[in-house]
Amino acid sequence: DIQMTQSPSSLSASVGDRVTITCRASQSISTYLNWYQQKPGKAPKLLIYGASTLQSGVPSRFTGSGSGTDFTLTISSLQPEDFATYYCQQSYSTPLTFGQGTRLEIK
Amino acid sequence: QVQLQESGPGLVKPSQTLSLTCTVSGGSISSGDYYWSWVRQPPGKGLEWIGYIYRSGTSFYNPSLESRVIMSVDMSKNQFSLSLSSVTAADTAVYYCARRDGQLLVHGDWGQGTLVTVSS
Repeated sequence: DIQMTQSPSSLSASVGDRVTITCRASQSISTYLNWYQQKPGKAPKLLIYGASTLQSGVPSRFTGSGSGTDFTLTISSLQPEDFATYYCQQSYSTPLTFGQGTRLEIK
Repeated sequence: QVQLQESGPGLVKPSQTLSLTCTVSGGSISSGDYYWSWVRQPPGKGLEWIGYIYRSGTSFYNPSLESRVIMSVDMSKNQFSLSLSSVTAADTAVYYCARRDGQLLVHGDWGQGTLVTVSS
């Protein structure tokens, strides 16, 4: 199985801050990397696929980058609605695997 | 816009079989290049992919659960189902059904999730 490791596990930030979340795969996955946002009691929401392609309707303050084993999700200017948990997920091979999540909290 | 809705018992006894159904509306389960997935999330924990099934009935399961999982598709009802046998407390989780795009390889549409508790 491909292990996905996110860092940090939690992060405190303020509205307007720029934040970066990192995801590392245990082996190369090219750009088969997706990012999801999950709010409490809700289903995950797709933000970015193919490492860097923004899903339709997702604000442009979200950007993804990386290839191979190292990936990042950046939020350029945090908005109140961005406080949530973020998961990376590899779609390179089955079993599909997720990172453990990064909880983004308000400072 | 396709919508997915999970249904099934919220409480299952240990050693019994958990059975859930996902009803798809706003689109046909028999059309398009989509895989119909199940993902679960234990309370306060992360996401775990259980498996997915194609409209042809071809399925792919997580090896960690494969010996206990069966998925099926009922195109006449526009539904797909999950069966997980020999459950324990470790199977207590919110279970989500989702649609995976076969081209983009993403879960773009999700159900709201249903909590299944394993307890006697």
